[in-house]
Amino acid sequence: EVQLVESGGGLVQPGGSLRLSCAASGFTFSNYWMHWVRQAPGKGLVWVSRINSDGSGIEYADSVKGRFTISRDNAKNTLYLQMNSLRAEDTAVYYCASFTSGWDWGQGTLVTASS
Amino acid sequence: DIQMTQSPSSLSASVGDRVTITCRASQGISNFLAWFQQKPGKAPKSLIYAASSLQSGVPSKFSGSGSGTDFTLTISSLQPEDLATYYCQQYNSHPLTFGGGTKVELK
Repeated sequence: EVQLVESGGGLVQPGGSLRLSCAASGFTFSNYWMHWVRQAPGKGLVWVSRINSDGSGIEYADSVKGRFTISRDNAKNTLYLQMNSLRAEDTAVYYCASFTSGWDWGQGTLVTASS
Repeated sequence: DIQMTQSPSSLSASVGDRVTITCRASQGISNFLAWFQQKPGKAPKSLIYAASSLQSGVPSKFSGSGSGTDFTLTISSLQPEDLATYYCQQYNSHPLTFGGGTKVELK
């Protein structure tokens, strides 16, 4: 069974940084692209970033480009999202997701950028 | 970017009703379309991928159809546990994009 477990969320002041992690199990992590998707309070789902299986192909939503960095450690079966220069509008639940035999999602981690 | 338009944005139905939600893509996406169910405070749960393939463990009362630009999600007999917001998503091209959601409520 695929399991994705996010961690690292919390309260941070605008301009601050956080690093999210997503621990994967139940599938061959190194074979699959991984994604971050976020959901602001009361809003819909928005794709943030994706990384291909070996980390050589990366894309970002325009809203986070230049501030967020996605990476992965295939030896540790872990996906990361380094978030710098956080803004109030980055406040959201962040989910990691993968497409193996259908889409799988983690439970999410809440990031709050507020003073 | 491909725009995904869901309709209706909300609906009220009775227990046992057949419920249909539609999703339209701004350009053709073949069958690279997924449907998710989300209950308040919970993560999205995958229902359908490849437009009509049922995710493992999902009850057969959920079904999907369509190809190209027009897609539907059908719940054959609405039950109280189906009350949630439903989202479509295209994964034909990046960026991945989602519909705005359909909130299903009990009449």
